[in-house]
Amino acid sequence: GAGVSQTPSNKVTEKGKYVELRCDPISGHTALYWYRQSLGQGPEFLIYFQGTGAADDSGLPNDRFFAVRPEGSVSTLKIQRTERGDSAVYLCASSFPTSPQFFGPGTRLTVL
Amino acid sequence: QKEVEQNSGPLSVPEGAIASLNCTYSDRGSQSFFWYRQYSGKSPELIMFIYSNGDKEDGRFTAQLNKASQYVSLLIRDSQPSDSATYLCAVTEAGNNRKLIWGLGTSLGVNP
Repeated sequence: GAGVSQTPSNKVTEKGKYVELRCDPISGHTALYWYRQSLGQGPEFLIYFQGTGAADDSGLPNDRFFAVRPEGSVSTLKIQRTERGDSAVYLCASSFPTSPQFFGPGTRLTVL
Repeated sequence: QKEVEQNSGPLSVPEGAIASLNCTYSDRGSQSFFWYRQYSGKSPELIMFIYSNGDKEDGRFTAQLNKASQYVSLLIRDSQPSDSATYLCAVTEAGNNRKLIWGLGTSLGVNP
């Protein structure tokens, strides 16, 4: 597609539930990144994929967060046992290996 | 702690004036530097990137980098009301050219 797409655009869930957030990168981009952003803050790095493998997952806050990219294109961020503190906008970006990152529109996650 | 600092603003300039946005970073080994624009409720949009000391111009935008002073700036000439947004500075982590460290952003308002 023309740009990075993310679904859903909004997700409301209850504390303790499981959620999946999807990212479809720009065609041909081999690198994919997940960030989250809270109001008034800059994006917070979560994980970076180069191809199918997670090259750097140092930003994942705890083991409730997991991300996959099985075929080197679409990625899914999975959050188990959601907590109210997980509420944020989850951003996905993609790039060629050494080029700047381009962001999708984000998924706004609200945990009640 | 690797940090990127920006004046949070708000910075207010009249239409047609030059807006100057500044950013300092703590990681002396950072190699790549980016400016993103973020409208309220939207995701970050790449404006400029710069890798070498000096100036880089693109239309009304000029990025300036001084690695010795660990300083990067963005100048917006002939500011327009549509430039009103939050401007985020991001730099790569030393030794990890894919991981971005972000500032909190500077809010810019351009008054007609």
